Amino acid sequence: GAVVSQHPSWVICKSGTSVKIECRSLDFQATTMFWYRQFPKQSLMLMATSNEGSKATYEQGVEKDKFLINHASLTLSTLTVTSAHPEDSSFYICSARPLTKRYEQYFGPGTRLTVT
Amino acid sequence: TQLLEQSPQFLSIQEGENLTVYCNSSSVFSSLQWYRQEPGEGPVLLVTVVTGGEVKKLKRLTFQFGDARKDSSLHITAAQPGDTGLYLCAGGLYGNKLVFGAGTILRVKS
Repeated sequence: GAVVSQHPSWVICKSGTSVKIECRSLDFQATTMFWYRQFPKQSLMLMATSNEGSKATYEQGVEKDKFLINHASLTLSTLTVTSAHPEDSSFYICSARPLTKRYEQYFGPGTRLTVT
Repeated sequence: TQLLEQSPQFLSIQEGENLTVYCNSSSVFSSLQWYRQEPGEGPVLLVTVVTGGEVKKLKRLTFQFGDARKDSSLHITAAQPGDTGLYLCAGGLYGNKLVFGAGTILRVKS
């Protein structure tokens, strides 16, 4: 149980285009999902907290107009990187907190974004 | 400054040796999670501890949460090459956010 999927697993796009990443909780419902960014051999950096049916809460320094988050249902959140630039290239990981578990988050397999 | 200090940053040991990874903070956490991550994959939850002084065991892994809920340790007994990976501690904050330590890259040589 507690499986989270991400799609796509990797994507290459040209500078200036937008990319959408999906995060789905497959066997549980999640009112809260989180989006992280990770650089090679480094820890996870929280970008934003996504709540079903409401606006996402962004961490300091994260541009909300650049990283658009939509949490349309209890099992799906999307992150859209708008007008991507090479510096946006990174490993993006989502996590989901089950309704029934107050403390735990389960992570997706990540999406490798490369902007050329 | 890192809210959750994790050490050591790198650890390279021989198969069969024991090791301990530490996470320390001046903040009190509602919970503490330990994750293991392999390259190109998402972190996998190993354990969650929520009570001060709590000790949990998972086969050769022993996790401890400090009495004041500010620190935690992960001890691995008789490490094996399959234990190689990035180990991350994460403290639970108000609003269910997690703050991560910097991570410990463990390499176990056979």
